[in-house]
Amino acid sequence: EVQLVESGGGLIQPGGSLRLSCAASGFTFSAYTMNWVRQAPGKGLEWISYISPSSSTIRYADSVKGRFTISRDNAKNSLFLEMNSLRAEDTALYYCAKKRSGDEFDYWGQGTLVTVSS
Amino acid sequence: DVQLTQSPSSLSASVGDRVTITCRASQSISLYLNWYQQKPGKAPKLLIYGASSLQSGVPSRFSGSGSATDFTLIISTLQTDDFATYFCQQSYSLPLTFGGGTKVEIK
Repeated sequence: EVQLVESGGGLIQPGGSLRLSCAASGFTFSAYTMNWVRQAPGKGLEWISYISPSSSTIRYADSVKGRFTISRDNAKNSLFLEMNSLRAEDTALYYCAKKRSGDEFDYWGQGTLVTVSS
Repeated sequence: DVQLTQSPSSLSASVGDRVTITCRASQSISLYLNWYQQKPGKAPKLLIYGASSLQSGVPSRFSGSGSATDFTLIISTLQTDDFATYFCQQSYSLPLTFGGGTKVEIK
């Protein structure tokens, strides 16, 4: 059974940093592109980043480019999101999501909540 | 960026009804359109990919159609378990974008 479990969220002051993790199991993690998608409270979904299986291709949404860094450790079946210079508008539930074959997301974690507030 | 506009933003329906949700793209996206269902407090679930392909394990009462800029999700016979919010998502170009969602509520 595919499982994605995010962790690392919490309350952080504006300008602060946070590192999110996503532990994957139940599939060959090293073979799939992985994504981060966020959802502000009561709002819609926003894709923010993806990383290819070998980390050779990385893309970001403009809203986080230069502030967030995605990475992965295939030996540990883990995905990460380093978040710097956090802003109030980054407050959201952050999901890791596995890419199917196209750029659709066939498995999602339960999300980890990041709240940016003073 | 490709903008996706869903309509309606919400609807009320009864068990057994046929429900139609539309998603319009700001430019042609061929068949690169996917549909998700999200229940409160849960992660989204992939229903349809490639505009019309049913994801494994998804009931056949869900179907998708369309191409280019206009897409439709149909629930043929609404069940209690289907009351949720539905999102479309384009996988044609970066940034990957989602529609604003359609909340399906009980009448």
